[in-house]
Amino acid sequence: AQTVTQSQPEMSVQEAETVTLSCTYDTSENNYYLFWYKQPPSRQMILVIRQEAYKQQNATENRFSVNFQKAAKSFSLKISDSQLGDTAMYFCAFTFRTGANNLFFGTGTRLTVIP
Amino acid sequence: DTGVSQNPRHKITKRGQNVTFRCDPISEHNRLYWYRQTLGQGPEFLTYFQNEAQLEKSRLLSDRFSAERPKGSFSTLEIQRTEQGDSAMYLCASSTSINQPQHFGDGTRLSIL
Repeated sequence: AQTVTQSQPEMSVQEAETVTLSCTYDTSENNYYLFWYKQPPSRQMILVIRQEAYKQQNATENRFSVNFQKAAKSFSLKISDSQLGDTAMYFCAFTFRTGANNLFFGTGTRLTVIP
Repeated sequence: DTGVSQNPRHKITKRGQNVTFRCDPISEHNRLYWYRQTLGQGPEFLTYFQNEAQLEKSRLLSDRFSAERPKGSFSTLEIQRTEQGDSAMYLCASSTSINQPQHFGDGTRLSIL
């Protein structure tokens, strides 16, 4: 079975500080993508960052970066210079590169950026 | 690119009634997904279409649920004889290929009285 675990239900960070959200996953497959999605209150799910499992280099998108540890099946998200607009639910997810390509999501981490 | 559109945004209905939701994917996105998100949980996969063909269904999709994508464009998700446990946010997503990320709509929030 494929599972995604986000062990931090809620986190908070001061504006302009750095925060790291944790995610671990379990799959026996070897060919997959990993994602972080952001879901602001009452708004749609937005892709934050994507990592291809066969790439060792960690993905980076502006203030967002990941620490991908394939052997440990760990995929954490670091948000630098946190902004008020980063307040949202953050979901870790993965999908296989074959088949339906549907996403498996974790339960989410609610991040609050404090002014 | 106008994004994935879902209607209605909210639906309130009595237990036992039938409901239908609509999803309009991003133009030319041939892959379309339905997910269900209950309070405090991440979205869970329901079903997947490639063009008009429904290629995969989750075990969550009971026989009261049916989805269609008749011409490979918009899709509908119907729930018959709704139950309290059907209360959730129903999300639609689309993508162009297996190597591209999925884009989500705003969802339809279903409340069963």
